[in-house]
Amino acid sequence: NAGVTQTPKFRVLKTGQSMTLLCAQDMNHEYMYWYRQDPGMGLRLIHYSVGEGTTAKGEVPDGYNVSRLKKQNFLLGLESAAPSQTSVYFCASSPQPSGGLYNEQFFGPGTRLTVL
Amino acid sequence: KNQVEQSPQSLIILEGKNCTLQCNYTVSPFSNLRWYKQDTGRGPVSLTIMTFSENTKSNGRYTATLDADTKQSSLHITASQLSDSASYICVVSAGNRDDKIIFGKGTRLHILP
Repeated sequence: NAGVTQTPKFRVLKTGQSMTLLCAQDMNHEYMYWYRQDPGMGLRLIHYSVGEGTTAKGEVPDGYNVSRLKKQNFLLGLESAAPSQTSVYFCASSPQPSGGLYNEQFFGPGTRLTVL
Repeated sequence: KNQVEQSPQSLIILEGKNCTLQCNYTVSPFSNLRWYKQDTGRGPVSLTIMTFSENTKSNGRYTATLDADTKQSSLHITASQLSDSASYICVVSAGNRDDKIIFGKGTRLHILP
């Protein structure tokens, strides 16, 4: 099992450009999440999904859109990148929601994005 | 407001020494608490989960404690190794319909040879 994979690993964008980050998981998990991690800020939830075809806003959703057309994939889009979106982005999946004992989140290796 | 506070922010110890990391939370209603280890350049990995009824749980050289009354948890690392150098993140889950998961900012641990 590959677990959670993310593509690309690194990317440099110019202000105003768009891009899509792809997350894939092979564990048949219902729940998927997108986080950003900035120095001194910890992990912050951008958007999440509780199942195929569903998405919901997290703590910092502005400037991002997501889609979950297939259960195994969760896409994060930046329509018009801004320097404030320079960060490391992590995708995670989980078999249960937060209140469940099996709520462990399995994280991908991250995507380092720089917006100039 | 649901919050998770970790201390210290960073810690440097010599290889072979023990250390204890702290996590205080104000999440309500409480469901469970996890400690994650994040190596540099990688995603976090779960070390242990603590539920309301559990006081102590060990995973090798890692021992987590939970005091649900004072809303405090600790992660004790015994006989530290260079591979323990990482960030340790405390994550508290709320047991309500919102499915809130609240992350602490982490403690950065450096083990010196």
